[in-house]
Amino acid sequence: GAVVSQHPSRVICKSGTSVKIECRSLDFQATTMFWYRQFPKQSLMLMATSNEGSKATYEQGVEKDKFLINHASLTLSTLTVTSAHPEDSSFYICSARGHSENSNQPQHFGDGTRLSIL
Amino acid sequence: GEDVEQSLFLSVREGDSSVINCTYTDSSSTYLYWYKQEPGAGLQLLTYIFSNMDMKQDQRLTVLLNKKDKHLSLRIADTQTGDSAIYFCAEWDTGRRALTFGSGTRLQVQP
Repeated sequence: GAVVSQHPSRVICKSGTSVKIECRSLDFQATTMFWYRQFPKQSLMLMATSNEGSKATYEQGVEKDKFLINHASLTLSTLTVTSAHPEDSSFYICSARGHSENSNQPQHFGDGTRLSIL
Repeated sequence: GEDVEQSLFLSVREGDSSVINCTYTDSSSTYLYWYKQEPGAGLQLLTYIFSNMDMKQDQRLTVLLNKKDKHLSLRIADTQTGDSAIYFCAEWDTGRRALTFGSGTRLQVQP
């Protein structure tokens, strides 16, 4: 099946550091990629949607200057958490979807990145 | 916005069947999905169903869809300890063009 690779799996860093997370679709072209944030014992919260070559569409309440998303190719999207603070600590999960005129292309998920800001 | 609801917890004994329920609000949903999340991991796509189907079976998994009541269920036959995880149902939100997830149901399988 479709494989999405997300790196790193875990990051621990000091407050004020910027952290980049990579999401790659390994065996399909991901025209759309999604970034989610998951708090402990909660569901996934959609942060933003990005289409290859276009600017990301951010959900209400998500700071686009804080969470920079780049989707420069059909197989790679990156999320950069700029000047991270302890409240940014969370589990971040990316998802990728191939092209479809309707909704029958399922989203495939990476294994997530656990970000801990000290 | 659209809403997807699930019960939070289900406990079954190994070998029994598990039924996880989900309700959704978007009547225009075309596809509905079930994902599995193990601790510290991402989401694994288990199965999905198109809205013009009533049932879909794939090995131990059976999905039932009642479109009139906007109710979706996932039945796991012969539940094993390895099935212990959180199960999310999700619908395709045609407005946002993204999945809307339920809160997740934690399935605990007791030996």
